[in-house]
Amino acid sequence: GDSVTQMEGPVTLSEEAFLTINCTYTATGYPSLFWYVQYPGEGLQLLLKATKADDKGSNKGFEATYRKETTSFHLEKGSVQVSDSAVYFCALSARNTGFQKLVFGTGTRLLVSP
Amino acid sequence: EPEVTQTPSHQVTQMGQEVILRCVPISNHLYFYWYRQILGQKVEFLVSFYNNEISEKSEIFDDQFSVERPDGSNFTLKIRSTKLEDSAMYFCASCSQGQEQETQYFGPGTRLLVL
Repeated sequence: GDSVTQMEGPVTLSEEAFLTINCTYTATGYPSLFWYVQYPGEGLQLLLKATKADDKGSNKGFEATYRKETTSFHLEKGSVQVSDSAVYFCALSARNTGFQKLVFGTGTRLLVSP
Repeated sequence: EPEVTQTPSHQVTQMGQEVILRCVPISNHLYFYWYRQILGQKVEFLVSFYNNEISEKSEIFDDQFSVERPDGSNFTLKIRSTKLEDSAMYFCASCSQGQEQETQYFGPGTRLLVL
């Protein structure tokens, strides 16, 4: 079945460091791909998405490119801030019965220190 | 900005008791979902709901689980006889059209602890 694999966390970085969180997927067909973020005490918020191959999603300085050839959707940010500390979830949208459902990775906790 | 709300934020119950988790989806959305996350594990799909009926459910969603939209705003998840392994964070989500590329909007979750 469809699945998402994320790198294990926590990822610990200093402020202004470069961030990469790896995400690969297995799916039938061509799913849409998402990154959700969960700040402490809050729900899951959409960070960015890409709906077809070679699309780049971007938001708040974060970027991810939908790579069909490597089945990947790695999250990157050039310069992280303390406020980026959160759990990041990669997800794909599967559509088995005509209705969307999300398949998530395990989440990667990011800790950014001043 | 419209948001999905969930109540309660935390619930502690005894094994075998019934619990009802409540969600208020975004008002013009038509598709509703429940997901759960056992501590340290993946967020897992439980059920999707459209037009007052279940459209898809996972293997986790057995006869102990049910969902309902009792009025025009609430969407509930009931667990009839809770088990220890039901302890998890439960997330409600909604989206407007249910299409593959759409964004699902999530609530803050209900943390359920079964003792």
